[in-house]
Amino acid sequence: DAKTTQPTSMDCAEGRAANLPCNHSTISGNEYVYWYRQIHSQGPQYIIHGLKNNETNEMASLIITEDRKSSTLILPHATLRDTAVYYCIARTSYGKLTFGQGTILTVHP
Amino acid sequence: EAGVAQSPRYKIIEKRQSVAFWCNPISGHATLYWYQQILGQGPKLLIQFQNNGVVDDSQLPKDRFSAERLKGVDSTLKIQPAKLEDSAVYLCASSLVAGRPNEQFFGPGTRLTVL
Repeated sequence: DAKTTQPTSMDCAEGRAANLPCNHSTISGNEYVYWYRQIHSQGPQYIIHGLKNNETNEMASLIITEDRKSSTLILPHATLRDTAVYYCIARTSYGKLTFGQGTILTVHP
Repeated sequence: EAGVAQSPRYKIIEKRQSVAFWCNPISGHATLYWYQQILGQGPKLLIQFQNNGVVDDSQLPKDRFSAERLKGVDSTLKIQPAKLEDSAVYLCASSLVAGRPNEQFFGPGTRLTVL
């Protein structure tokens, strides 16, 4: 599975959009981009995944560049409850979820 | 829909003792995973079951760790004997079936402290 690179930490003001970037320059054609988050003292929680097209669900939007070498997770109106570690993972259908260090997102009042 | 259940939530043992963790996945989920999460790191897959068969146990320290999933539902993970470096959160997750881009649902984890 392709390696992903994320910033160590980011801040966001409550009510503003949080844009979390992820680089996956070696991603292969059959690898999906997954996003999970982990709130303190809880297990990871699935957010969204995509292959080529942009995706949106009730939690977030996922924007994947045309060359698929990077993506951005967008939380449109961040709340204090969105403070968590966000993991970007590239994997095939049969691949493992290989978690890196992730991005610590802190949402400020 | 009930989530993934794990017990106990916390466990403190001394090194060289044995410990076991239990996981009940979401009903109907064929695939079950055990992860180890050391403080400050992301979770690391230890073992993956498809029904009651092992799919991947390449990162399971088999000299001291064992896991089983009898009848393809509940699972137990055992450490015998425990070492200090086994202190971590042990997470169980389940998914409908492997081989599709579906999500994994995680339990709350068991926090193990080895003294």
